[in-house]
Amino acid sequence: EVQVVESGGGLVQPGGSLRLSCSASGFTLSSYTMHWVRQAPGKGLEFVSSISPDGDGTYYADSVKGRFTISRDSSKNTVHLQMSSLRVEDTAMYYCAKDVHSSWYLFDPWGQGTLVTVSS
Amino acid sequence: IVMTQSPATLSVSPGERATLSCRASQYIGINLGWYQQKPGQAPRLLIYGASTRATGIPARFSGSGSGTEFTLTISSLQSEDFAVYYCQQYNNWPTFGQGTNLEIK
Repeated sequence: EVQVVESGGGLVQPGGSLRLSCSASGFTLSSYTMHWVRQAPGKGLEFVSSISPDGDGTYYADSVKGRFTISRDSSKNTVHLQMSSLRVEDTAMYYCAKDVHSSWYLFDPWGQGTLVTVSS
Repeated sequence: IVMTQSPATLSVSPGERATLSCRASQYIGINLGWYQQKPGQAPRLLIYGASTRATGIPARFSGSGSGTEFTLTISSLQSEDFAVYYCQQYNNWPTFGQGTNLEIK
């Protein structure tokens, strides 16, 4: 079964850092672009970041550029999202998702999400 | 690209047809997907390529459209279909619509 599972969320103060992880199973991680999408409480979906199959290409929404870093460890079938200089507006459920077809930028499946709360 | 969904809320009775709309601010061809999200759950891909059902999606879900105007139709609503539906374009940097809340009438 193709599956992704997120971890690493929690409560952090403004200006702090957090590292999210996405563990993949049931498929070859190095064959697909992997994505992070977030959803603020009661709000819609916002694309955050992507990493290419070979890890050489990384992409970020303007809202997180310069503060978030995406990386992958294919030997451990894991993708990470390092978040720094966190702001209250980064509070959201963060979903990891596999690309449908290598690099279509279409997302399936999604993990169950990990909640990040930025608050003092 | 800005994606605009209408209506924001749609009230339909079980067994009836539901029609949801999505408009792109510029041409996206058929690079359009639809997702379903139930409370407390992650989104699930229903449709891609504007009209192709994803694996395991029932035939009562259908998508249509191209260019800038798209429609998701649910032919006979089941109780499990009441949820929030999002469209997403992947013609370039991915963007989502704001969602349509499909509720029981």
